[in-house]
Amino acid sequence: KQEVTQIPAALSVPEGENLVLNCSFTDSAIYNLQWFRQDPGKGLTSLLLIQSSQREQTSGRLNASLDKSSGRSTLYIAASQPGDSATYLCAVRGNAGNMLTFGGGTRLMVKP
Amino acid sequence: DTGVSQNPRHKITKRGQNVTFRCDPISEHNRLYWYRQTLGQGPEFLTYFQNEAQLEKSRLLSDRFSAERPKGSFSTLEIQRTEQGDSAMYLCASSLGGRGSPGEQYFGPGTRLTVT
Repeated sequence: KQEVTQIPAALSVPEGENLVLNCSFTDSAIYNLQWFRQDPGKGLTSLLLIQSSQREQTSGRLNASLDKSSGRSTLYIAASQPGDSATYLCAVRGNAGNMLTFGGGTRLMVKP
Repeated sequence: DTGVSQNPRHKITKRGQNVTFRCDPISEHNRLYWYRQTLGQGPEFLTYFQNEAQLEKSRLLSDRFSAERPKGSFSTLEIQRTEQGDSAMYLCASSLGGRGSPGEQYFGPGTRLTVT
């Protein structure tokens, strides 16, 4: 059974810092990995999707990397802003089936 | 708006009542998913449709839960005889499936259920 863990569970940083969020998964037989953002009481917004054959994806100030063999992904946020404050969720889709298995999320607060 | 929509956004019901939620996926997406999220946790998979066929169900989906996707368009999730433990955010997602498709899932705003 796939298990996804996100560390840290919460993070508070001053505005302007570069930061890294970590995601680890137990079964390396994945089809893809998605990073999402969730604001309080809202749905999920897809940030980046990395296919199993890819090593990284970039969108604006966000960069996500994937090391399938070690079961790890990182989300790098450059020059953080107060508007980046949200919960960031990592989710993995396995090769068998189409469901996403989610981590518990990292709650990020960027202080002005 | 071409995103995933869900109705209602909020539902308060008394224990023992039945509730039904609706999800309208992105129009060209053939795959539709339901997830449940409790406070402070990541979403958990409930069930998945490809067109009108329900292909995967989690063991979380007890006999009181039923989902349909008639004609492969919108989907409904019904909970019968609600219990306080059913209180959660119910999220719907859709994706475009098929050979070579990246399979990115897009989520709706969710339906917040409170059982009193």
